[in-house]
Amino acid sequence: RKEVEQDPGPFNVPEGATVAFNCTYSNSASQSFFWYRQDCRKEPKLLMSVYSSGNEDGRFTAQLNRASQYISLLIRDSKLSDSATYLCVAPGGMGRRALTFGSGTRLQVQP
Amino acid sequence: DAMVIQNPRYQVTQFGKPVTLSCSQTLNHNVMYWYQQKSSQAPKLLFHYYDKDFNNEADTPDNFQSRRPNTSFCFLDIRSPGLGDAAMYLCATSRDSSGRAGDFGAGTRLSVL
Repeated sequence: RKEVEQDPGPFNVPEGATVAFNCTYSNSASQSFFWYRQDCRKEPKLLMSVYSSGNEDGRFTAQLNRASQYISLLIRDSKLSDSATYLCVAPGGMGRRALTFGSGTRLQVQP
Repeated sequence: DAMVIQNPRYQVTQFGKPVTLSCSQTLNHNVMYWYQQKSSQAPKLLFHYYDKDFNNEADTPDNFQSRRPNTSFCFLDIRSPGLGDAAMYLCATSRDSSGRAGDFGAGTRLSVL
């Protein structure tokens, strides 16, 4: 099983829609998780951190379900500018210190 | 102001010709990472330094080496680039190993002719 798994999408949604992505992780000891946003040919940029059950920042809500080992990202009132790839990130398993990235979920918001 | 700086932004090299990519940071972070990202794929960790402690990923080819002469700088050396090494190389830093998010540089896009 991959350490971090995401549905690659693409998710094609109209402007104003609500969209949710899920991400599953394998390391049950992980305490913190992150969602990064990556635009085409650019570096990943931190969108949200999730340290407990969840986090909310404007239109974005991240939730953590430790029992089922998944994290979700909810985007409300989608904007055209939300079109990007969203990467789920968790600390590496097996005692590794580094962060492990999911393969990303592509979102395309259409007018 | 950019706090993780990668140079060059674009690098073209020839098949088999050694190349060095550089990364510098002004954050005084303990941990520096090198990731390789190919088109439509997730960033793949190559190795990371925790201070001077080097950590290689098991599947990182021997062709890839790294140096960290001081806290601020980290280099990625590709000894004999192959066509399959063409990718975006991302440097990231984090304060420690407690699972904090990393700050990324803008990346170096490597082409191999």
